[in-house]
Amino acid sequence: QSALSQPPSVSGSPGQTVTISCTGTSSDIGSYNSVSWYQQSPGTAPKLMLHEFSIRPSGVPDRFSGSKSGNTASLTISGLQAEDEADYYCSSHTTTSTYVFGTGTKVTVL
Amino acid sequence: VQLVESGGGLVQSGGSLRLSCAASGLTFSGYWMHWVRQAPGKGLVWISQISPNGDRSTYADSVRGRITVSRDNAKNTVYLQMNSLSAEDSAVYYCARGYQWGCDYWGQGTLVTVSS
Repeated sequence: QSALSQPPSVSGSPGQTVTISCTGTSSDIGSYNSVSWYQQSPGTAPKLMLHEFSIRPSGVPDRFSGSKSGNTASLTISGLQAEDEADYYCSSHTTTSTYVFGTGTKVTVL
Repeated sequence: VQLVESGGGLVQSGGSLRLSCAASGLTFSGYWMHWVRQAPGKGLVWISQISPNGDRSTYADSVRGRITVSRDNAKNTVYLQMNSLSAEDSAVYYCARGYQWGCDYWGQGTLVTVSS
């Protein structure tokens, strides 16, 4: 199972909007509404930001949103804040009953 | 509310290691549990999951046949038995609770270093 493809990095100024793409195949993203997004700061465990493409767990700011089109999922951060600087990973369930993570994207707040 | 991994350390190539993940303050027995690893400076890699009652488990291709996941709901603990370890298995290993196709609670991770 190959990793889902994400851009290595994205950046934006405070208040701007950034979008991270996550491209898979018909065997993962394209088959299920099961994409999750995680935020990971250096030296810490990942934190669930979205599940089932666009559902925010309690406590996650509403500036984080998600969508899907075909085999690609996207995470959008609106009104970027300094605290959003971190690595972001997508994840999807697959048709072989496993999971696969994306390659990761570093978000830099300029 | 926490998951605490233990059992990591330094092991020689070809050796074995058993990791544990103990849950406290959260519901454990009704949830799938996952293991995810992260090599230093690298991305997250999903490696295994186990069903709530332990009767089903799945593995990533990279570890299938060398790694076995199990759980003891009476002890609120999930285990990862790793055999035939190589340098490529060196990583921080996280356990996490499955939730709605994602993982909502994560441990702090335990470091496994395989020396050649």
